[in-house]
Amino acid sequence: AQSVAQPEDQVNVAEGNPLTVKCTYSVSGNPYLFWYVQYPNRGLQFLLKYITGDNLVKGSYGFEAEFNKSQTSFHLKKPSALVSDSALYFCAVRDGSRNQFYFGTGTSLTVIP
Amino acid sequence: EAQVTQNPRYLITVTGKKLTVTCSQNMNHEYMSWYRQDPGLGLRQIYYSMNVEVTDKGDVPEGYKVSRKEKRNFPLILESPSPNQTSLYFCASSPTSGRSNREQFFGPGTRLTVL
Repeated sequence: AQSVAQPEDQVNVAEGNPLTVKCTYSVSGNPYLFWYVQYPNRGLQFLLKYITGDNLVKGSYGFEAEFNKSQTSFHLKKPSALVSDSALYFCAVRDGSRNQFYFGTGTSLTVIP
Repeated sequence: EAQVTQNPRYLITVTGKKLTVTCSQNMNHEYMSWYRQDPGLGLRQIYYSMNVEVTDKGDVPEGYKVSRKEKRNFPLILESPSPNQTSLYFCASSPTSGRSNREQFFGPGTRLTVL
């Protein structure tokens, strides 16, 4: 069965420190992997994606993610967190054989000043 | 401005009263989709459409209907709403080719309460 797991409901990090938001997936075929961010009372915004190519993907607002095929992971990272990065982050995967998307349960990131 | 619009943004209704939530996009995207967001469950896909007259079930299609008669519109229909359909609903669209392939653009959400 296709699925996405975000093992941490909440991540707290001090401003200026590096941050990591974890994601693992299970999907048939070659995965399309995505990260989205949701600010309060807003829709989701696309951050970055991996389809093929370099395992390290760079996206919006200084975020990057590393695709690890052997560990079936796609962790979101940023070298230096900002207070404005505080939001809800969702990992998503597209089923390689269909056009259906699966989202994780979300990780709430709080950056402490 | 490129956008996905949803109407209404907020709706309170009663069990069994048919309702439609409209979704429209102005980016000429082929792919459109509906999701529901519930606490602790994240987003779950209800239905999606690859193009006009092509729709397919997502993970949680029961109790919902959709249609795609025009490329820009993808309404979500609840023919007999029940309280377990109380949720926050998002419409999204994306291209299916090019640099932004599969990058979904989300609407602002519709908060539905079924009493």
